[in-house]
Amino acid sequence: AQTVTQSQPEMSVQEAETVTLSCTYDTSESDYYLFWYKQPPSRQMILVIRQEAYKQQNATENRFSVNFQKAAKSFSLKISDSQLGDAAMYFCAYRSELSGGSNYKLTFGKGTLLTVNP
Amino acid sequence: DTEVTQTPKHLVMGMTNKKSLKCEQHMGHRAMYWYKQKAKKPPELMFVYSYEKLSINESVPSRFSPECPNSSLLNLHLHALQPEDSALYLCASSLEPGPYEQYFGPGTRLTVT
Repeated sequence: AQTVTQSQPEMSVQEAETVTLSCTYDTSESDYYLFWYKQPPSRQMILVIRQEAYKQQNATENRFSVNFQKAAKSFSLKISDSQLGDAAMYFCAYRSELSGGSNYKLTFGKGTLLTVNP
Repeated sequence: DTEVTQTPKHLVMGMTNKKSLKCEQHMGHRAMYWYKQKAKKPPELMFVYSYEKLSINESVPSRFSPECPNSSLLNLHLHALQPEDSALYLCASSLEPGPYEQYFGPGTRLTVT
């Protein structure tokens, strides 16, 4: 079974600075998808970025980028120019296939709580 | 429009009550999901509906009963819940049951007294 590990329960960053959140995963699959979700205090889960394992190029969405190291099974999220609105719980997630072949589930890490200091 | 809506936002119910949670999306998505999230924990998958049919039940107790009346609507019927069932219940949808990103609703905060 796939597992997702986020080793940093909490992180803090100064406004306008850069922070990197770590995520590692364990899988025997060769093709898969990885995601970072953000959950602010409002509690709604928001997709931040996705990465397809077959793509060598790291995904980027505005101030958010990933460092995807397939061999090392590492998928870190970098937030540049941090803003107060970035404060949230960040979940790394692996999209795994359920038995039957046509259904997939998200396996989440335990999350990293990011605080942004003004 | 990437919106998934859920009602109610908050629900308090007794252990003998029957209540329902509602989830709606109008993105033409054909897969819908129910998750349960306890405080400071990641979401846990409960059910998956693919093309309006229940395809996955992650060993959820029968006091939770999902229903998908049409492709846009997903309900979760609650009956004889326990206090430990108190949690945030999240609904999500994706374009297809395959490896597509899921879009989440804001959740229903359920308290069982």
